[in-house]
Amino acid sequence: EAGVTQFPSHSVIEKGQTVTLRCDPISGHDNLYWYRRVMGKEIKFLLHFVKESKQDESGMPNNRFLAERTGGTYSTLKVQPAELEDSGVYFCASSQDWDSGILTDTQYFGPGTRLTVL
Amino acid sequence: DAKTTQPPSMDCAEGRAANLPCNHSTISGNEYVYWYRQIHSQGPQYIIHGLKNNETNEMASLIITEDRKSSTLILPHATLRDTAVYYCIVRSDNYGQNFVFGPGTRLSVLP
Repeated sequence: EAGVTQFPSHSVIEKGQTVTLRCDPISGHDNLYWYRRVMGKEIKFLLHFVKESKQDESGMPNNRFLAERTGGTYSTLKVQPAELEDSGVYFCASSQDWDSGILTDTQYFGPGTRLTVL
Repeated sequence: DAKTTQPPSMDCAEGRAANLPCNHSTISGNEYVYWYRQIHSQGPQYIIHGLKNNETNEMASLIITEDRKSSTLILPHATLRDTAVYYCIVRSDNYGQNFVFGPGTRLSVLP
């Protein structure tokens, strides 16, 4: 079974440009999460999708970040315009739907996208 | 803020058991203890989780104290590939709860 995949693995852009990160969850996983780690800090939650709906976006830093999950499959995270402080590693995770009878929805993480804003 | 406390770093000799402690004194009745690890720059990798009973899988064992205020992750025969940052996370079983990561414990397995 394929794991969570993320694209690209690395992205280097200049301040003010736009970048779009993509996450493909494990097939059949309705829950999709975005996290990020900025330099020297801990991994922080950004938002959570259930299928195509945003369940919790309390961790989104500001309105320069836009996440979508059209059709409830893959998700994109767009940063527009990018700022220097957006540099870091962006992780995506997915978990099975609650209705699958799983008492705790263990999240499986992708390898991350390393974003560098110059 | 993370609800757990872990030592910042530990060393372990290759082939020996690595015992990683975690304090979670404010844990609630519906909260599970999860362990993840991050090897170098990879994504966090799930290891194990438990509620109150001890758990074992092919990767590790999780020992939770009777009062549930602390736990220990045991890697029975540590290898160099187990060198990583280990995160102990407390999380409720409410639907769709995200993980709150602390700084974790940096485990160095030494040859």
